[in-house]
Amino acid sequence: GGIITQTPKFLIGQEGQKLTLKCQQNFNHDTMYWYRQDSGKGLRLIYYSITENDLQKGDLSEGYDASREKKSSFSLTVTSAQKNEMAVFLCASSIVRGDTQYFGPGTRLLVL
Amino acid sequence: GDSVTQTEGPVTVSESESLIINCTYSATSIAYPNLFWYVRYPGEGLQLLLKVITAGQKGSSRGFEATYNKETTSFHLQKASVQESDSAVYYCALGEYSGGSNYKLTFGKGTLLTVTP
Repeated sequence: GGIITQTPKFLIGQEGQKLTLKCQQNFNHDTMYWYRQDSGKGLRLIYYSITENDLQKGDLSEGYDASREKKSSFSLTVTSAQKNEMAVFLCASSIVRGDTQYFGPGTRLLVL
Repeated sequence: GDSVTQTEGPVTVSESESLIINCTYSATSIAYPNLFWYVRYPGEGLQLLLKVITAGQKGSSRGFEATYNKETTSFHLQKASVQESDSAVYYCALGEYSGGSNYKLTFGKGTLLTVTP
């Protein structure tokens, strides 16, 4: 078995601030993902990466940057936090793109 | 684009009663998509409950079942007798390839299930 760890668990930021969320997995999976979930909505894909140093944009990439410097880690940066923004960011991984995805516990973001 | 529509929650069911959470989908690809049910228990991360990749087949896990029906484009989740421990948020999802190797997973909005004693 394996586990996906996301840090921090809660993130409170100020409007305009650059915020970074981190994700680590020990499944040795090649593909990693970042999703955003807003209240009452399904998950929306922000970025994914099929291997180390690879980055692919999802449906919601505007306003975000991502980094995959190691196979086991995938970071997401909110480039300029929006006031009153509140969402949960979920990290996931899979052996290959198209396989079952395993999710982390999420990071809750609140922008004041 | 692809879309997934599922029962709007919250859903409250008494323990030992039967449950059905509806899920219908619309896929843009001409090939049949893969269908999933994910679940998030309180305080835990999202996890796969069951998946079916072949139309007409049934998936099952932890007493839950779902049948991939391509005629009605549905993948309803059912359980004959629920337990309090089944209280969670359930997500139906569709996965398919589009444009070569680009694989996309589309989620429904989730259904909050509360099972009362």
